[in-house]
Amino acid sequence: AQTVTQSQPEMSVQEAETVTLSCTYDTSESNYYLFWYKQPPSRQMILVIRQEAYKQQNATENRFSVNFQKAAKSFSLKISDSQLGDTAMYFCAFKLGQGAQKLVFGQGTRLTINP
Amino acid sequence: DTGVSQNPRHKITKRGQNVTFRCDPISEHNRLYWYRQTLGQGPEFLTYFQNEAQLEKSRLLSDRFSAERPKGSFSTLEIQRTEQGDSAMYLCASSPADREGYGYTFGSGTRLTVV
Repeated sequence: AQTVTQSQPEMSVQEAETVTLSCTYDTSESNYYLFWYKQPPSRQMILVIRQEAYKQQNATENRFSVNFQKAAKSFSLKISDSQLGDTAMYFCAFKLGQGAQKLVFGQGTRLTINP
Repeated sequence: DTGVSQNPRHKITKRGQNVTFRCDPISEHNRLYWYRQTLGQGPEFLTYFQNEAQLEKSRLLSDRFSAERPKGSFSTLEIQRTEQGDSAMYLCASSPADREGYGYTFGSGTRLTVV
């Protein structure tokens, strides 16, 4: 079974700083997808960024980028120039390819951006 | 299309009562998922549908839980004889079948409190 581990329950940084959230996963498969989701307080979960395992290039979305290390099974999220609106729970998630549908989530990291 | 809609947003019920939640997915998405999220944890998979067919169920989905998607559009999740351990956020999500690795679009969830 696939597992996802986020080892940082909480993080806190000052506005405009860069922060990196860690995620490791365990699988014996080679075809899969990785995601970072953001869940602001009392609001719905939204997709931040996604990465296909077969792509070596790290995904980027504006201020958000990932460091995907396939051999190490690591998938960290970097948020540059952090903003107050980035305050949220961040979940790392894994999905097998080839038609599998279940997303497996980590325990989450609570990120607080301080003014 | 306004995204994935869930009703009600909050439900308080007495132990032993039955409750039903509704999810309206994005109309073009033929896959629909139910997840449960307890406080401070990542979402856990419950079940998913492709059109009206329920294709996978988690072992978390006890006999007291039943989900339906009769016409391949909206879905309902019913919990019979609720227990205090059922208190959680119930999340619905949808995705298109023809886009592998797309990720889900989540609704805002239904928060269930069993007293």
